[in-house]
Amino acid sequence: KAGVTQTPRYLIKTRGQQVTLSCSPISGHRSVSWYQQTPGQGLQFLFEYFSETQRNKGNFPGRFSGRQFSNSRSEMNVSTLELGDSALYLCASSLVGEVTDTQYFGPGTRLTVL
Amino acid sequence: AQKVTQAQTEISVVEKEDVTLDCVYETRDTTYYLFWYKQPPSGELVFLIRRNSFDEQNEISGRYSWNFQKSTSSFNFTITASQVVDSAVYFCALSEDFYNQGGKLIFGQGTELSVKP
Repeated sequence: KAGVTQTPRYLIKTRGQQVTLSCSPISGHRSVSWYQQTPGQGLQFLFEYFSETQRNKGNFPGRFSGRQFSNSRSEMNVSTLELGDSALYLCASSLVGEVTDTQYFGPGTRLTVL
Repeated sequence: AQKVTQAQTEISVVEKEDVTLDCVYETRDTTYYLFWYKQPPSGELVFLIRRNSFDEQNEISGRYSWNFQKSTSSFNFTITASQVVDSAVYFCALSEDFYNQGGKLIFGQGTELSVKP
C-alpha cells in the first residue's frame, strides 16, 4: 500500500501571502490529522478531519484552516502568513480517527516564510 | 491536563551500547494509548509501537524493547546494541479517550539520539 503523500515538499512564501498544502491518506483511511512542527514548540496538533467534517481542533488562530474531500484527501490553508508560521507541516492518516487507531505520517511539507 | 515529558533532549552513545529513552505522561483518562515514533533526518515520523492503558506487558521487537509502568506513568524505550542507523529523533506520544479526542496525538519534545561509530 502506498503511504501518506504530501505536496509540495518544500515551499517558500513571503509574509502576508497564503498557502495551501495537500495530503493524500493511505488508501482506506478516512481520518486525516495535521500537525505543525517547530524547534521551539515541537509537534502540535492543528486539526483532524473525518468524512469531510472537522471533528477536533488544536489551539491555533483562525488563519489556519482545512478541509477534506469525499475521497479523504485533505488540504490545509494558512492565510496572511507570518514569519512564525515557518515550520514542517505533517499530515497523518488513520482508519477512522479513533483513540485506538495508529496514525501514519507523511514526509511533511517544509514551509519557509520570508 | 494531558502532557508527555521526555526529559532527555539529546543522548549520545557509541555503537553497540544500550540506550534507554525515557517518557513520562499525564492523563485524566483511564483509557489511553501510548506511542513511540522515530523521525530520521528526512522528516517523516515512522511508527514504532502502540500500547493501550490496560496492557502493561513489556514488549520486545528485535533490538527494541518497551517498558510500560502505569504506577509511575512511564513508557520507556530501550535500544539494545545500538547502531548508527538508530540515530534519529524519537518521540513519545499520547492519545486519550476523554472527551473523544480521537485523531489527536500529544507529543513529547523528543529525544535526539546520536549513535557514533
